Amino acid sequence: GAVVSQHPSWVICKSGTSVKIECRSLDFQATTMFWYRQFPKQSLMLMATSNEGSKATYEQGVEKDKFLINHASLTLSTLTVTSAHPEDSSFYICSADSSLAGGIYEQYFGPGTRLTVT
Amino acid sequence: KQEVTQIPAALSVPEGENLVLNCSFTDSAIYNLQWFRQDPGKGLTSLLLIQSSQREQTSGRLNASLDKSSGRSTLYIAASQPGDSATYLCAVVTDDMRFGAGTRLTVKP
Repeated sequence: GAVVSQHPSWVICKSGTSVKIECRSLDFQATTMFWYRQFPKQSLMLMATSNEGSKATYEQGVEKDKFLINHASLTLSTLTVTSAHPEDSSFYICSADSSLAGGIYEQYFGPGTRLTVT
Repeated sequence: KQEVTQIPAALSVPEGENLVLNCSFTDSAIYNLQWFRQDPGKGLTSLLLIQSSQREQTSGRLNASLDKSSGRSTLYIAASQPGDSATYLCAVVTDDMRFGAGTRLTVKP
């Protein structure tokens, strides 16, 4: 099946620094990628929808200037957490849409990135 | 390594039927289990979250149960409607998050 990778798988950074997380579709082209965040003991929540070549669409309550999303190609989307604070510590996961024949979409998930801000 | 399996892969029912979707996982040492709905071209919508200490959660016509010891969860949908047509995913959280392949549900008017 299709594979989505994320890099890094975990990262520890100091408060005030920026962290970039990459999401790649390895063997298919994804016009749409999604970024999610999960805090401990809470459900996975959609942060933004990223379409190749256009600006990302952010969910309500997600700061677009803090969570910069760039979908530069059909196989790569990046999420940059700018000026990270301890409350940004979370599990970030991306997924990529692969449209199949007949209007059917399959969504594939990356393994996630665990961010800890100290 | 945690493996998550969903059965059936696809399901088609007439409107009004009650139905059950199944999710099984191999490692019972989980933090929580979540059920999501996925519509074509859209991000996931969280339906129900069951913590490892809980047995079930209910929201409207949806009820999810969790049996950690047997590695199973079920999502029960009562009085199905055409608007329930979507792909339903379960995800299990241990050190990371593992998704099942999903059940594609079609509810016919």
